[in-house]
Amino acid sequence: ILNVEQSPQSLHVQEGDSTNFTCSFPSSNFYALHWYRWETAKSPEALFVMTLNGDEKKKGRISATLNTKEGYSYLYIKGSQPEDSATYLCAFKAKTSYDKVIFGPGTSLSVIP
Amino acid sequence: SQTIHQWPATLVQPVGSPLSLECTVEGTSNPNLYWYRQAAGRGLQLLFYSVGIGQISSEVPQNLSASRPQDRQFILSSKKLLLSDSGFYLCAWSVRVTKNYGYTFGSGTRLTVV
Repeated sequence: ILNVEQSPQSLHVQEGDSTNFTCSFPSSNFYALHWYRWETAKSPEALFVMTLNGDEKKKGRISATLNTKEGYSYLYIKGSQPEDSATYLCAFKAKTSYDKVIFGPGTSLSVIP
Repeated sequence: SQTIHQWPATLVQPVGSPLSLECTVEGTSNPNLYWYRQAAGRGLQLLFYSVGIGQISSEVPQNLSASRPQDRQFILSSKKLLLSDSGFYLCAWSVRVTKNYGYTFGSGTRLTVV
C-alpha cells in the first residue's frame, strides 16, 4: 500500500506571512510528484509536476522543491494572500503503477486578511 | 484545447436506487481516465481508472462499477446505492504514458444518498 502523508493538516496564517507544507512519499518507488490547489466549490487545479530529484518549480509566489532520495517535497507560499486560501494536495506516482496517482490527505490553508 | 465535462453537479438519491455519473473529455485522444471520491472529512480516494476502451482497473472493493464505452467517455455506476456512497465524485483525465503532465479534473458531482 502506497502511503502519502501531508503536514500540517491545516494552517491559519496572516495575510503577508510566508508559509510552507510538507508531502512525504515512498522514496524507493518514485516516478513523479504532483501538487494541486483545491479551492472551495472548484475542482483541483494542477500547480506543479515534479520528476527529478532536486527539482525546484515556481509559479508566482508559490514554489516547490523535491527530494526523491529521502521522500519529501515542500510547497512554499511567499507573502500569503486571502486568495491563496485552499486545500493543497500532493499526489505521488509510483514507478510500479505509473498510470495513476495516489493523493495525500491535503493541507488546508486559511489566510486571514 | 482540452475540456472535461462531468454531470450532474448534484444528486440526491434514495438508498437502493441506481446511479449513473458521466464524464466526457474533448480535444484529446487516448486519455487515461479516473474516478475519485472525497468522502466527508477525507482526502481523494481513487476508485477506478482506465487506460483504454473497455479497460477498467478497480482500486477498492465497493458497491460501484465503472465503464468506458468510448475513448473519451467514462461512466460510474451502481445498481443499488448505499448510504456510505455519499460523497463528492470527481472525474479526471491525463495524458497517457508520460510523467510530465498533471491531471485535469471535472467540476465534480455531489452525491447524497438518503
